[in-house]
Amino acid sequence: DTGVSQDPRHKITKRGQNVTFRCDPISEHNRLYWYRQTLGQGPEFLTYFQNEAQLEKSRLLSDRFSAERPKGSFSTLEIQRTEQGDSAMYLCASSQATIRFYTFGSGTRLTVV
Amino acid sequence: AQKVTQAQTEISVVEKEDVTLDCVYETRDTTYYLFWYKQPPSGELVFLIRRNSFDEQNEISGRYSWNFQKSTSSFNFTITASQVVDSAVYFCALSVKYGGATNNLIFGTGTLLAVQP
Repeated sequence: DTGVSQDPRHKITKRGQNVTFRCDPISEHNRLYWYRQTLGQGPEFLTYFQNEAQLEKSRLLSDRFSAERPKGSFSTLEIQRTEQGDSAMYLCASSQATIRFYTFGSGTRLTVV
Repeated sequence: AQKVTQAQTEISVVEKEDVTLDCVYETRDTTYYLFWYKQPPSGELVFLIRRNSFDEQNEISGRYSWNFQKSTSSFNFTITASQVVDSAVYFCALSVKYGGATNNLIFGTGTLLAVQP
């Protein structure tokens, strides 16, 4: 395991459908972060976990968004009732709690049509 | 509040030219980290450098160099003798420490660098 893996790489969905993304962090990293990046912008923080505990959520994370990290390993991000405004790249990153070094995955590009 | 500003939206240079990407940050914290990431068209964020707030030494890595100046809250990035492969979006980011825990990264809006052959 040499990096952060995200699945799928691309997702096209119809408005109103639910989607779920998966992130597998570097195995020894206990912190996991989700970011959203829209076209022409920098990544924006959504939420992060330390082990299985979700410690912070951004105001960007509406009620339609939920993230889990049940066993402190992989994480899922679900978006319910998708809207066109949810179209973005969703990036996952991981780090060790005591080391300020963040490794990013390749992202999942969501297109809502 | 914390903020990162990258005022240059796009820069176009010809190969072999030197180019400097500007980054200005805002934070009230005395302990923080600054980062630069490269995002090629494929989308992944590639780590370039991390600098903590107590180390103002400039750094050079091959064709890349970074100038950190706390007095002006700037962390600028220079590519010497640019190459076509340097074409990408470059992001500056800030990570602050509060409540005893280091938190998320705050990104600037990025600078699109186009290096023409």
